[in-house]
Amino acid sequence: GAGVSQSPSNKVTEKGKDVELRCDPISGHTALYWYRQSLGQGLEFLIYFQGNSAPDKSGLPSDRFSAERTGGSVSTLTIQRTQQEDSAVYLCASSPFPSGAEQFFGPGTRLTVL
Amino acid sequence: AQSVSQHNHHVILSEAASLELGCNYSYGGTVNLFWYVQYPGQHLQLLLKYFSGDPLVKGIKGFEAEFIKSKFSFNLRKPSVQWSDTAEYFCAVKNQAGTALIFGKGTTLSVSS
Repeated sequence: GAGVSQSPSNKVTEKGKDVELRCDPISGHTALYWYRQSLGQGLEFLIYFQGNSAPDKSGLPSDRFSAERTGGSVSTLTIQRTQQEDSAVYLCASSPFPSGAEQFFGPGTRLTVL
Repeated sequence: AQSVSQHNHHVILSEAASLELGCNYSYGGTVNLFWYVQYPGQHLQLLLKYFSGDPLVKGIKGFEAEFIKSKFSFNLRKPSVQWSDTAEYFCAVKNQAGTALIFGKGTTLSVSS
């Protein structure tokens, strides 16, 4: 079956603009995660969804970042008033296990803020 | 806070050499440990995982890792690397809340043929 898909694959925006990043998890996966990978850094956790609720959003770096998930499927990560330090690859992962025992990653969205 | 340390930032090997990548984690309780690999131009994929039981776990493509609780380590090994193993390798531990993976900064492996 299809894996996790993310769109767009690349996004270039100007500082101060809002951006929306989309994640389509594997069908039937109840758990969904967003991570951020900056140059030279590992993956940084942002937010975890179980179904449509987000029991852990502790990784969101500021209130400019928000995410939602509708219908227990597609998720959107929104970054408002983007800053240059937001430039990174944003990765989405999904898991059929609520515990996240194994996570399946998408290809990521490379965000560049000019 | 939980953390994962990968000691080698960049490893360069010749084909057929043996590989060991170090990984240490900070949490002392029950741990779920993972190694993920990212081949050039591809997305992250799971190499192997440890939850419980035999501390020597085998993964795909001939990789294995050993969980040593007393050393808080989960090192990745392969007896003989191939050029196709060139990739970035990430060690990860599930956080205490069970809601996310905490990743190390990754090790880039370059294998020359």
